[in-house]
Amino acid sequence: AQRVTQPEKLLSVFKGAPVELKCNYSYSGSPELFWYVQYSRQRLQLLLRHISRESIKGFTADLNKGETSFHLKKPFAQEEDSAMYYCALSGSSGDKLTFGTGTRLAVRP
Amino acid sequence: DAEITQSPRHKITETGRQVTLACHQTWNHNNMFWYRQDLGHGLRLIHYSYGVQDTNKGEVSDGYSVSRSNTEDLPLTLESAASSQTSVYFCASSDPGQDTGELFFGEGSRLTVL
Repeated sequence: AQRVTQPEKLLSVFKGAPVELKCNYSYSGSPELFWYVQYSRQRLQLLLRHISRESIKGFTADLNKGETSFHLKKPFAQEEDSAMYYCALSGSSGDKLTFGTGTRLAVRP
Repeated sequence: DAEITQSPRHKITETGRQVTLACHQTWNHNNMFWYRQDLGHGLRLIHYSYGVQDTNKGEVSDGYSVSRSNTEDLPLTLESAASSQTSVYFCASSDPGQDTGELFFGEGSRLTVL
């Protein structure tokens, strides 16, 4: 069975501090991994996917198949990064996603 | 602009009543999904569809049903609402042929069952 684990419910950091939101997964095969973000009172939106290997809003995430992890990182947190972050996986492009329980990031001034 | 919309955005109902949440997308996406969002559980898949007349059960499908009579709509019905179904419901759609694999989400429908 596929599973996504986000061990932290809340991560609180000061503005300018580094951020790492952890995500581990279990899946038999080669999944597609994503990070979705939900800002206050807004819909979920795609932040990153592992295939694109790009940086969005200063965030990066590297897929580590050996550790089955896809941690989200940003070197210097901004207040506008405060949001709910969900790690998710899919068996194929555009197919249903399995989500983790989410991590709320709070960036303090 | 193409979009995905949900209605109603907020609904309060009583235990035992039938409730239908609407989801409409104008992208002509074949894939559509319904999730519920609960604290401590994240988003869990209720039902999904890969095209007209196709429906599939997700992780938490008990007490819910969907129908897909056209490409644009996937209404979610709670046959007899229960307090455990108080939640925020999100509809999403995707194009399986698109490289990004992205799911596009609606704004959510907050349902309270009293």
